[in-house]
Amino acid sequence: GAGVSQSPSNKVTEKGKDVELRCDPISGHTALYWYRQRLGQGLEFLIYFQGNSAPDKSGLPSDRFSAERTGESVSTLTIQRTQQEDSAVYLCASSRKAGRVTHFSSYNEQFFGPGTRLTVL
Amino acid sequence: AQKITQTQPGMFVQEKEAVTLDCTYDTSDQSYGLFWYKQPSSGEMIFLIYQGSYDEQNATEGRYSLNFQKARKSANLVISASQLGDSAMYFCAMRECCSGAGSYQLTFGKGTKLSVIP
Repeated sequence: GAGVSQSPSNKVTEKGKDVELRCDPISGHTALYWYRQRLGQGLEFLIYFQGNSAPDKSGLPSDRFSAERTGESVSTLTIQRTQQEDSAVYLCASSRKAGRVTHFSSYNEQFFGPGTRLTVL
Repeated sequence: AQKITQTQPGMFVQEKEAVTLDCTYDTSDQSYGLFWYKQPSSGEMIFLIYQGSYDEQNATEGRYSLNFQKARKSANLVISASQLGDSAMYFCAMRECCSGAGSYQLTFGKGTKLSVIP
């Protein structure tokens, strides 16, 4: 079946412009995550959606960052007034359900999309 | 304090040999999960193996095994019979039971770059 897809794969923008990044999760996955990966670094959590619950925005680095998700479908991450330090790969992940860690399973596995490489000039 | 520590920025291993990638973690939760992901140069994150904190046996998935030492809070990845295609970045990650607003996000280490030598 289809995996997590993201678009665009690459985005080059000028400082001060707004950008929108899109994520299509795996069908049936209720949980959706956005992460940021700076060059040579691990992934940093940005925001999480679970069904129709209020999102967990605790990882967003500033109020220039926002994200939306309609139901259990597509999500859009928006960065306003981009800065050079926003340059990174933005990864989206989805999982079947976010819940208490279970035993003897990878039930909690998050499936990642290919990412969007954002370059702010 | 870092929640996930990977002390080896880079590792080299001879093809067909085994290699251990280190990971230590820090949590006060009793229930948590530990993951290893592989990231080739193409950039995708590939899930390798998972260990639940209550799992009594070490997880294994083909050539991958996780050496889980709960008291030491370590979850080292062992790759047996290394192949050239194993050359990649490897990330250790943790999912805690009830972090923050309950989002169960993964917390990642900084990664280890593994290079397999022919």
